[in-house]
Amino acid sequence: GEDVEQSLFLSVREGDSSVINCTYTDSSSTYLYWYKQEPGAGLQLLTYIFSNMDMKQDQRLTVLLNKKDKHLSLRIADTQTGDSAIYFCAESLTYSGTYKYIFGTGTRLKVLA
Amino acid sequence: GAGVSQTPSNKVTEKGKYVELRCDPISGHTALYWYRQSLGQGPEFLIYFQGTGAADDSGLPNDRFFAVRPEGSVSTLKIQRTERGDSAVYLCASSFDRGHTEAFFGQGTRLTVV
Repeated sequence: GEDVEQSLFLSVREGDSSVINCTYTDSSSTYLYWYKQEPGAGLQLLTYIFSNMDMKQDQRLTVLLNKKDKHLSLRIADTQTGDSAIYFCAESLTYSGTYKYIFGTGTRLKVLA
Repeated sequence: GAGVSQTPSNKVTEKGKYVELRCDPISGHTALYWYRQSLGQGPEFLIYFQGTGAADDSGLPNDRFFAVRPEGSVSTLKIQRTERGDSAVYLCASSFDRGHTEAFFGQGTRLTVV
């Protein structure tokens, strides 16, 4: 079945690194994504990783993919108060003419000043 | 427009009424998606359009929900005989093509059924 799981909450101090974890079930996913959602706002794509990669770095963001364990993580270096938001992991599914994203329940990141 | 636009931003309706939610995708994007996000949950897939046709409507919860995209651009999500359980934020997204790496989301329509 299609399922993406994340821990619900994470609290870190400003300047520390944050690591948000995600597990997914469909090994055929082509891309895996991290989205950010601030209160009352839509979803903003932060970064994505192709399934044949194991790491991608983009400024303060580092994505690690362990395909064997179906585990994805997002590391935010030097976390700032503006990083406080809900972070969603998503996998893409492509089969029989469809293309859709399956989202996790989101991890609420709180950054303490 | 510059981004995906959804109207209205908020909609309050009485139980049993009919509602329409509109999505204007980014110009030139052929793929369009509708998602529903309930409080404290991640977005849940409803339907995917490629051009004018619904390529996958497997996420629509029941036959009260229907969506159209007659000219391959603007899409309307229609909900008949609304129920309180339909209350959620309805998100629309578009991407340049199916399989593209980035889908752009609108701000959503918050539907409240009273």
